[in-house]
Amino acid sequence: ETGVTQTPRHLVMGMTNKKSLKCEQHLGHNAMYWYKQSAKKPLELMFVYNFKEQTENNSVPSRFSPECPNSSHLFLHLHTLQPEDSALYLCASSQDRRSTTVYGYTFGSGTRLTVV
Amino acid sequence: GENVEQHPSTLSVQEGDSAVIKCTYSDSASNYFPWYKQELGKRPQLIIDIRSNVGEKKDQRIAVTLNKTAKHFSLHITETQPEDSAVYFCAASTGLGGGADGLTFGKGTHLIIQP
Repeated sequence: ETGVTQTPRHLVMGMTNKKSLKCEQHLGHNAMYWYKQSAKKPLELMFVYNFKEQTENNSVPSRFSPECPNSSHLFLHLHTLQPEDSALYLCASSQDRRSTTVYGYTFGSGTRLTVV
Repeated sequence: GENVEQHPSTLSVQEGDSAVIKCTYSDSASNYFPWYKQELGKRPQLIIDIRSNVGEKKDQRIAVTLNKTAKHFSLHITETQPEDSAVYFCAASTGLGGGADGLTFGKGTHLIIQP
């Protein structure tokens, strides 16, 4: 493990279900991110949180709802998803922007989501 | 917003040869350029990064070059080995260290090392 843990690893859900993805980091980072990785597409930034505050929402549909209760935990709440939302959802963390140390991102292993 | 283009999408080289992957970016304010390696079924991992005040950085067999004027940066892998086979992603950010501004990724390059 790299210090960023995502659960569950795999999730199959129907279009009417409600589920949540969880991300947890113990690296002392203050910024956390959700990315979507689909086949034949680049990693797409969804949400950015810095010190628990959402600083970026990259035009993500409202059926995806993030929550960041503290700097160590990040959730992605899912409801009424579409089949095209099936993808690998990756969480990442990094030092906040005021840090002069370049750490880059540390990614979690991802949640493989299948919407049926 | 930032747009990152990456080429080629697939690159096949003989073991021992060099591999070069190129990326261009659109936002002149971008100042941080990391490269990630993602092996099949695994998470992306940072392999090298460069900041805009540096033109080149090297770490053993891996090097990255940056041309701010032309807004492009490249990954160079020398003496390729079978374990170098993976998908490589370039990225760009306007944040210091990539922190809290979000990285914009290229589409990835599938590097295949032929024995």
